Amino acid sequence: KAGVTQTPRYLIKTRGQQVTLSCSPISGHRSVSWYQQTPGQGLQFLFEYFSETQRNKGNFPGRFSGRQFSNSRSEMNVSTLELGDSALYLCASSLSGTRVSYEQYFGPGTRLTVT
Amino acid sequence: KNQVEQSPQSLIILEGKNCTLQCNYTVSPFSNLRWYKQDTGRGPVSLTIMTFSENTKSNGRYTATLDADTKQSSLHITASQLSDSASYICVVSAEQAGTALIFGKGTTLSVSS
Repeated sequence: KAGVTQTPRYLIKTRGQQVTLSCSPISGHRSVSWYQQTPGQGLQFLFEYFSETQRNKGNFPGRFSGRQFSNSRSEMNVSTLELGDSALYLCASSLSGTRVSYEQYFGPGTRLTVT
Repeated sequence: KNQVEQSPQSLIILEGKNCTLQCNYTVSPFSNLRWYKQDTGRGPVSLTIMTFSENTKSNGRYTATLDADTKQSSLHITASQLSDSASYICVVSAEQAGTALIFGKGTTLSVSS
């Protein structure tokens, strides 16, 4: 069974631009969560999608948004990029979400650098 | 405030030695606690998941313990190997509408020969 895939793996953008990251979950998984990882803050939860609906959201500004498609693939968009948005963005999929003890599988991440 | 604190921040041990990593949390209401291993440049990989009623869970040379009364967890690594060099992240899930995962900042373990 293929794992979680994320594209692109690396991205360089300029401050003020916008970016879209993509995540394909493991086949059969309906929940996709997004995380931001920086050296200073560690892993921080962005949002979770389940069956095309945002089920929970972390404490990030509205510039961060996402969506999920009917095939469970998910995209994350960041508008008006700031230097502080430089981070590793990870997506994780699970069968039903993380509120119950379902295993969560992470992708390799997208390394975003904002200059 | 929901928080997860890990200690130590970093650790260096010799190959073959044992070590224990600590995680203290103030998350309520508690749902489950997870330990992840993250190699440099890769996504985290789950080691264990424990619910309120479980106090020990093993995965090969990794053994996690949970004391829900004191809100403490530990991850014990036995007979360390060079491949154990990684960041170990403790994550606590809060039982509420939707999903709320609170992450510790991790312990960086370096195993040297």
